[in-house]
Amino acid sequence: GQQLNQSPQSMFIQEGEDVSMNCTSSSIFNTWLWYKQDPGEGPVLLIALYKAGELTSNGRLTAQFGITRKDSFLNISASIPSDVGIYFCAGPSNFGNEKLTFGTGTRLTIIP
Amino acid sequence: EAGVAQSPRYKIIEKRQSVAFWCNPISGHATLYWYQQILGQGPKLLIQFQNNGVVDDSQLPKDRFSAERLKGVDSTLKIQPAKLEDSAVYLCASSFHRGNEQFFGPGTRLTVL
Repeated sequence: GQQLNQSPQSMFIQEGEDVSMNCTSSSIFNTWLWYKQDPGEGPVLLIALYKAGELTSNGRLTAQFGITRKDSFLNISASIPSDVGIYFCAGPSNFGNEKLTFGTGTRLTIIP
Repeated sequence: EAGVAQSPRYKIIEKRQSVAFWCNPISGHATLYWYQQILGQGPKLLIQFQNNGVVDDSQLPKDRFSAERLKGVDSTLKIQPAKLEDSAVYLCASSFHRGNEQFFGPGTRLTVL
C-alpha cells in the first residue's frame, strides 16, 4: 500500500523559533492535508492543499503542495507553546476513493 | 456547530471480552469513518460509510470487528472478542461528502488487559 513518510520524527525547539517539516510519498497524491493532534484528542485539520505548487497559509502556518505531487511541506513561524503536539500529513490513497492514508507524524516539543 | 461526538472516552476490558463504541457525526455529514490509532502511529482506516452503506471495509478485521450505521446517522463499532493488540484509540470522523475534508471526534481509548 501507499506510505507517507514524515520527517523529522520529532523536533525540540525553543519558543519563537520557526519550524519546518515535510511529508513524502512513493506515489502521486491529488490532495494533501495537514492535521495536528493534541494528547487525548482527535486530529484537527490545519490546512488542505488541492493543486500542485499551491502555497496556502493559515495564520502562522504555511503549507505547500510539492510540484512533483509526491511531497508536501508545513512551516510554522514564531512557535508558541500551544503548537506542541503531533503533526500528521494525509492524503487520499486512491484517486476517487478518498480513503485517507496518514503519515508517520512529527512530534513537536517546545523547550522552555 | 457541534463536532463529532464519541463515547465512551476511555474503556478498559480484559481480553476475550466484548466492547462497543458509539459515534454521532456532524449533522448533515453523509460520510462516516472509523479509524484505529495505535500509540505512536497515524490513524488507520477501518471502515467507511456513505449514509448507511459500507463504502470500504477492506482493513476491518471482520472475524472480530463489526460496525453499523443503520439509519445513516449514528454509528457503532464493536469488537468481539477483544485481543491485547486491539489496545488503541478508536477515532470516528465525518465529512459532508466523500472526498471532502474529514472532521474527527476526540476518540475512545481502549485498553485490553
